[in-house]
Amino acid sequence: DAGITQSPRHKVTETGTPVTLRCHQTENHRYMYWYRQDPGHGLRLIHYSYGVKDTDKGEVSDGYSVSRSKTEDFLLTLESATSSQTSVYFCAISETELEAFFGQGTRLTVV
Amino acid sequence: DQQVKQNSPSLSVQEGRISILNCDYTNSMFDYFLWYKKYPAEGPTFLISISSIKDKNEDGRFTVFLNKSAKHLSLHIVPSQPGDSAVYFCAASAREGSQGNLIFGKGTKLSVKP
Repeated sequence: DAGITQSPRHKVTETGTPVTLRCHQTENHRYMYWYRQDPGHGLRLIHYSYGVKDTDKGEVSDGYSVSRSKTEDFLLTLESATSSQTSVYFCAISETELEAFFGQGTRLTVV
Repeated sequence: DQQVKQNSPSLSVQEGRISILNCDYTNSMFDYFLWYKKYPAEGPTFLISISSIKDKNEDGRFTVFLNKSAKHLSLHIVPSQPGDSAVYFCAASAREGSQGNLIFGKGTKLSVKP
């Protein structure tokens, strides 16, 4: 299995609070991604990174920001969490634009 | 506007029979296609892929077929086993200028009954 660690694995937070999810890789892969998975929507790309400090928006980026200050870490921040951001969040990594390897996921509940 | 469509939310097959999962795409720039398998409470795992220069790729019990003119691909699992029960996601990429951006379908839940 690719070395990807997501933290925390589970989190419950209140509406309006900031939340940061962390993705850590030990593979030195160039690309890192954040996806969310929701019933009826499959996997949707939030943001991705193609290098240190190089990031871009995905399909559902509103309300989210990311940072990548080191190759191994990719942080996803919800500045002010809303109930619509209750979801399962997956981090993924890839060395090329081909297959990506996914982490175990973070289940976030916003109450 | 969905660029990758998996129109069957679920599929049930008998153990030992063939499972066929379908996927359609609309973006003619897509040139690389992948299938992922996902068990509950786990991340998706890569299963098999195919480049647009091929029409078939086989790996053990798994075969992916690509019909570019119809913008359609399918995943065949033969023979199906109970351990294959999972959600299967089709994904596509336009490698030129895509920066590694995979577009996923909504998934098909496969149930293989003993």
